[in-house]
Amino acid sequence: EVQLVESGGGLIQPGRSLRLSCAASGFTFDDFAMHWVRQAPGEGLEWVAGISWNAVPLRYADSVKGRFTISRDNAKNSLYLQMNRLTAADTAIYYCAKDVHLNGDYYFDSWGQGTLVSVSS
Amino acid sequence: DIQMTQSPSSLSASVGDTVTITCRASQDIAINLIWYQQKPGKAPYLLISDASNLESGVPSRFSGSGSGTVFTFTISRLQPEDVATYYCQQYDVLPPIFGGGTKVSIK
Repeated sequence: EVQLVESGGGLIQPGRSLRLSCAASGFTFDDFAMHWVRQAPGEGLEWVAGISWNAVPLRYADSVKGRFTISRDNAKNSLYLQMNRLTAADTAIYYCAKDVHLNGDYYFDSWGQGTLVSVSS
Repeated sequence: DIQMTQSPSSLSASVGDTVTITCRASQDIAINLIWYQQKPGKAPYLLISDASNLESGVPSRFSGSGSGTVFTFTISRLQPEDVATYYCQQYDVLPPIFGGGTKVSIK
């Protein structure tokens, strides 16, 4: 059974940094691209960033480009999201999501339970 | 970026009813369209890929159709466990874009 478990969320002040982690199990991690998708409270879904199986960053949403960095450690079956210069607009539940293909087809067949990031002074 | 417009934004129907949701893309996306179900407090769940391909284990009362710019998602014989928000998502062109969601409730 595929399991994706996010961690690292919390309350953080504007302008600060936070690193999210996603621990994967139940599948061959380095056979698939991985993504972060977020959902602001009461709002819809927004794709944030994706990374292919071999850790080549694919693309970032314009809203986070230059501030967020996606990375992965295939030896640890883990996905990461480094978030810098956070603003209130980044407040959301952040989901780790598994792609259906190693290079990224950009849709997601498994999701974690999410970790909440709240940016507020 | 491609715009994905879902309608209606919410609907209420009776158990056993047929429910239809429409998703419109701002440009031709062929059949590169996904439908997810998100139950309250849970992560999204993949229901349909390639506009009409039902994922393994998904009940057959769910179906999808369409191509190009207009897509339809249908729940036949609505069940209480179908209460959720349903999202379409295009993956034809980067970045992947989700529709605004349709919240389905039971009368």
